[in-house]
Amino acid sequence: DGGITQSPKYLFRKEGQNVTLSCEQNLNHDAMYWYRQDPGQGLRLIYYSQIVNDFQKGDIAEGYSVSREKKESFPLTVTSAQKNPTAFYLCASSLRGPSTNEKLFFGSGTQLSVL
Amino acid sequence: KNEVEQSPQNLTAQEGEFITINCSYSVGISALHWLQQHPGGGIVSLFMLSSGKKKHGRLIATINIQEKHSSLHITASHPRDSAVYICAVSRNNDMRFGAGTRLTVKP
Repeated sequence: DGGITQSPKYLFRKEGQNVTLSCEQNLNHDAMYWYRQDPGQGLRLIYYSQIVNDFQKGDIAEGYSVSREKKESFPLTVTSAQKNPTAFYLCASSLRGPSTNEKLFFGSGTQLSVL
Repeated sequence: KNEVEQSPQNLTAQEGEFITINCSYSVGISALHWLQQHPGGGIVSLFMLSSGKKKHGRLIATINIQEKHSSLHITASHPRDSAVYICAVSRNNDMRFGAGTRLTVKP
């Protein structure tokens, strides 16, 4: 079945540690996105990518980094510079990109907590 | 003020009731999306619409572009409809999300 796979489901970060969240899709979509979800707030865009080896900052990119070495994969690293990383992280994809009106397909999310 | 506002924040209904969730937005948009987030966290897209009305099974979504308002209706609600329903709007290269409406349907 086609879809988006995020791992792990739960992740714990120690102070000063970088952690990487995985996102893989087999939908052959060009565009991939990372969103952060906090209780009582709407999803906020961290980064997005429309093509391999290219990505753009979203509204809250500080303290995060991404790579897009393969079309299928868009990992997110939460760096030690992100002082409030506890949140639910969602990866999504769409066929072409944010400039077109397209449906988003989401993964099942990763809950990141600080130890 | 958020660009996308949903009401109510929380909604509890009895099985079989007709449910309405509202979404108002303050910016020009090219499309509006209704999403469903289940307790496990994954999100699925229910509707994308730019005018009029769409129906899928027991779910109906309407939009009034002039009033910048959309509604999601659920007919004959069932406990399996319990989820968070999220309204989102597309504009330019951007998508903005509401905070969601948590629906609980009791048997």
